[in-house]
Amino acid sequence: AQKVTQAQTEISVVEKEDVTLDCVYETRDTTYYLFWYKQPPSGELVFLIRRNSFDEQNEISGRYSWNFQKSTSSFNFTITASQVVDSAVYFCALSEAALNTGNQFYFGTGTSLTVIP
Amino acid sequence: GAGVSQSPSNKVTEKGKDVELRCDPISGHTALYWYRQSLGQGLEFLIYFQGNSAPDKSGLPSDRFSAERTGGSVSTLTIQRTQQEDSAVYLCASSFRGGGGIDTQYFGPGTRLTVL
Repeated sequence: AQKVTQAQTEISVVEKEDVTLDCVYETRDTTYYLFWYKQPPSGELVFLIRRNSFDEQNEISGRYSWNFQKSTSSFNFTITASQVVDSAVYFCALSEAALNTGNQFYFGTGTSLTVIP
Repeated sequence: GAGVSQSPSNKVTEKGKDVELRCDPISGHTALYWYRQSLGQGLEFLIYFQGNSAPDKSGLPSDRFSAERTGGSVSTLTIQRTQQEDSAVYLCASSFRGGGGIDTQYFGPGTRLTVL
């Protein structure tokens, strides 16, 4: 079973629109971390945010905000007033602590966001 | 400080040849990961190192794939007798992994492998 599901494969928005990227995860662990990474056309994955399972406070960083809801196992990412530079593939990831193998990272399949000028 | 570096950035090889891909993690990071990303796809986990040992090799797709890490630092991913389906971007990541807990992985720019 997929541990991280990003149901939106591709999204296109017009510049200045808001856009929300969905992420649903599955885990039986009580301690886990959730991440978002951005992969621009250049290819390098850029770390955006990490959130632990005990902190459900929403976070805002400039035009970016994240909504973590354990009740629905979701960790959605919203970009406000999107810009062309936001065009990228965005990956959601889940990390569980595995005693003998270290932290296991599970990535979603990514959402390709295109912001049209 | 310096991030994760990978070399070469691009590699074109002929089917059947062996290739070596190199990863230099962030200094002080004890954990190192290799992933594969095929065109338009997500990340496929290959192998994880803690120090020089590899407790998790579950993602290696076949016995043509191997990896080693020496000195708790540089890692080499070797693909023997390359096949066209091996064409992908190979990504390396490292994390601090100090004293347990779950650490953020930081990625290198990747090596784009093309097997003709």
